Amino acid sequence: SAVISQKPSRDICQRGTSLTIQCQVDSQVTMMFWYRQQPGQSLTLIATANQGSEATYESGFVIDKFPISRPNLTFSTLTVSNMSPEDSSIYLCSTDSNYGYTFGSGTRLTVV
Amino acid sequence: AQKITQTQPGMFVQEKEAVTLDCTYDTSDQSYGLFWYKQPSSGEMIFLIYQGSYDEQNATEGRYSLNFQKARKSANLVISASQLGDSAMYFCAMREGAGGGNKLTFGTGTQLKVEL
Repeated sequence: SAVISQKPSRDICQRGTSLTIQCQVDSQVTMMFWYRQQPGQSLTLIATANQGSEATYESGFVIDKFPISRPNLTFSTLTVSNMSPEDSSIYLCSTDSNYGYTFGSGTRLTVV
Repeated sequence: AQKITQTQPGMFVQEKEAVTLDCTYDTSDQSYGLFWYKQPSSGEMIFLIYQGSYDEQNATEGRYSLNFQKARKSANLVISASQLGDSAMYFCAMREGAGGGNKLTFGTGTQLKVEL
């Protein structure tokens, strides 16, 4: 199965700023998924990113707040824009294989 | 309605004992997949086991087995011979539809603590 390198692993950011999270996959994959995990909560899908097309956002998430890029089949970024303390979460990227979805190691974001 | 329900927010088990983590699901799709993930305090998501809706045998992976009861729409995870390193959050998840490209929907998780 694919291996995903995600960075940064953690960051502390000032409110009002933006952070871009990167995920690099060691093989070509069709879909990439971005999840948010708020403290003590489960994973919630933000959007699905297919190479060459705009990401598809889930209800409650908008492109202006979480712009996503997918320039090729091995790479994707998620930007958390104009951050507020409510954005403090773990952000995870993921891709699928036949049986197991692989996840990046996560980005633990704290907004102060 | 919740697609994935995990009713046990927390569970305790003695080391070397077996433990069952409950998961029920709701879907109208005939083809779907069920997954269990382990999330230690470090935050990474570790894939444990997969069960396809058409699989007739219960999935097993080492000390992990999945008790799949299709008619009841349940997919409980059984961990045998618990170890201290099994202490973590466990998530049940479902992929609706066949093949790749479909998102996973997660349950709320069960925090497992293994005690000496």
